[in-house]
Amino acid sequence: EDQVTQSPEALRLQEGESSSLNCSYTVSGLRGLFWYRQDPGKGPEFLFTLYSAGEEKEKERLKATLTKKESFLHITAPKPEDSATYLCAVQAENTGFQKLVFGTGTRLLVSP
Amino acid sequence: NAGVTQTPKFQVLKTGQSMTLQCAQDMNHNSMYWYRQDPGMGLRLIYYSASEGTTDKGEVPNGYNVSRLNKREFSLRLESAAPSQTSVYFCASRGRNNSPLHFGNGTRLTVT
Repeated sequence: EDQVTQSPEALRLQEGESSSLNCSYTVSGLRGLFWYRQDPGKGPEFLFTLYSAGEEKEKERLKATLTKKESFLHITAPKPEDSATYLCAVQAENTGFQKLVFGTGTRLLVSP
Repeated sequence: NAGVTQTPKFQVLKTGQSMTLQCAQDMNHNSMYWYRQDPGMGLRLIYYSASEGTTDKGEVPNGYNVSRLNKREFSLRLESAAPSQTSVYFCASRGRNNSPLHFGNGTRLTVT
């Protein structure tokens, strides 16, 4: 069964204190791994797609990386506006293109 | 460009009542999806429509029905609401296979 596990469940950082969020996955044939940001009361907002091990994507203070078993979302010198829940989702060969498996997310709080 | 629009934003139902959640997208996407989000659980797929005229069950379809009214609109119906259907419901759309999902801002449903 395809599984996605995110850690930690919650993370509290001081402004400027860099850290990483983890998304580990067990799927049969990865077709894509997606990172989303979700603010309270809002829908998930797309951040990155990674397709193969070794791939990296960057956007402002965020950098996503991918290995054969996990993905990391690195946050460099975070600001309070980076506070949100970060979701990871995978698309696998055996579940086809229509079904993504989501993790339960990491709640990030960045204090000034 | 509104993206994915969901109505209503909030709803309270009594057990046994029925209602329809509406979703419309203006991105000319082929595929549309309904998810539910519950505390401590990842987003779970209820139903999806890979293209206009088709619908399929997702992970948790029991108690729900859907209609793909046209390419833009995809509705979710609860025929006889139950307290277990208290959740936040998200509609999403997608253009090509393996491209990211675009989400609406959700409907917060409480069934008493």
